Amino acid sequence: KAGVTQTPRYLIKTRGQQVTLSCSPISGHRSVSWYQQTPGQGLQFLFEYFSETQRNKGNFPGRFSGRQFSNSRSEMNVSTLELGDSALYLCASRAQTGGGEKLFFGSGTQLSVL
Amino acid sequence: DQQVKQNSPSLSVQEGRISILNCDYTNSMFDYFLWYKKYPAEGPTFLISISSIKDKNEDGRFTVFLNKSAKHLSLHIVPSQPGDSAVYFCAACNFGNEKLTFGTGTRLTIIP
Repeated sequence: KAGVTQTPRYLIKTRGQQVTLSCSPISGHRSVSWYQQTPGQGLQFLFEYFSETQRNKGNFPGRFSGRQFSNSRSEMNVSTLELGDSALYLCASRAQTGGGEKLFFGSGTQLSVL
Repeated sequence: DQQVKQNSPSLSVQEGRISILNCDYTNSMFDYFLWYKKYPAEGPTFLISISSIKDKNEDGRFTVFLNKSAKHLSLHIVPSQPGDSAVYFCAACNFGNEKLTFGTGTRLTIIP
């Protein structure tokens, strides 16, 4: 069974640009969550989608948005990039419901904003 | 406002000895706690969890202890092995709410 796939693996952008990250969950998983990892803050929850609907949202500005498609694949978009957006963005999927034990993470997209 | 804190950014332990990783939380609504392990260039993987109705959970070499009155949990690894070298994240949630709150992580290095 293939794991959670995130593309691209690395991305370099400049301030003011926008970026779209992609996540393909494990086959059969309908929930996709996004996290931002930075050295000083650890992993911070961005949002979760389930069956194309946003089910949960973290405390990030509106520049961060996401969506989920009917095949459960998800995209995350960051507009008007700032230097502080440089981070590892992790996507995680799970089947339907359940606790963190059933959460499977991808390897992440490393975003650098110059 | 860091609701889950791991105050030790790094820890070095001799192979074969016990590794103890600590985590504190401030939100008394949290009732479920998890530990994840992360190797470089990989996503975190689930290690062990504990519900607030317990004070200890064991899985092989890994044991998690929960002290609700102190809002503190710890992960014990015995004996420590070189493959345990990784970053360990503590996480908390309200069980049934899929939103996890993570700590900042502790980098564990096992010295052969």
